[in-house]
Amino acid sequence: GQNIDQPTEMTATEGAIVQINCTYQTSGFNGLFWYQQHAGEAPTFLSYNVLDGLEEKGRFSSFLSRSKGYSYLLLKELQMKDSASYLCAVRDETDKLIFGTGTRLQVFP
Amino acid sequence: DAMVIQNPRYQVTQFGKPVTLSCSQTLNHNVMYWYQQKSSQAPKLLFHYYDKDFNNEADTPDNFQSRRPNTSFCFLDIRSPGLGDAAMYLCATSRGTAGGTEKLFFGSGTQLSVL
Repeated sequence: GQNIDQPTEMTATEGAIVQINCTYQTSGFNGLFWYQQHAGEAPTFLSYNVLDGLEEKGRFSSFLSRSKGYSYLLLKELQMKDSASYLCAVRDETDKLIFGTGTRLQVFP
Repeated sequence: DAMVIQNPRYQVTQFGKPVTLSCSQTLNHNVMYWYQQKSSQAPKLLFHYYDKDFNNEADTPDNFQSRRPNTSFCFLDIRSPGLGDAAMYLCATSRGTAGGTEKLFFGSGTQLSVL
């Protein structure tokens, strides 16, 4: 079956660095996405990984290890506006996007 | 500039009373998706359209139907809503080109309450 695991909740302090982990077991792999979702709003695209390694985009970076079925999203210089849910999603062999339950991040001053 | 628009943001319906949620897009994307997201759960794909081709997920209840009259619009019909159907319903689009880099663009969702 399809399984994507993320921690349910995390907390961090403004200005700090936080790493949100995601492990997956899916039927096939055609890439991994991270989305940000503020309460009551649409998920918005953050990053995409299909090859092993780190993709950096400003304050956000995403890492992938296909052999380990593992990814993380790294958020640096945290700001209050980064308080949101972060969804890990894997595109499987049928090209469907399978989502994890999301990690709710709270940033405190 | 909203690109995937869902109406209404909040919808209240009665148990068993049919309800329709709507989604429109200005992106001219080929693919439109409907996801159901319950509180603290992952978005779950209900079905999607590739152009006019309808693709139903195997575990989507028959209670849920969809229509796509043209490229821009897609509707989710819940024929007889039950209490368990209360959820956020997310519409998303993608261009539909081959390859894993295809990302989804989401609407703001419709929060459905069933009384």
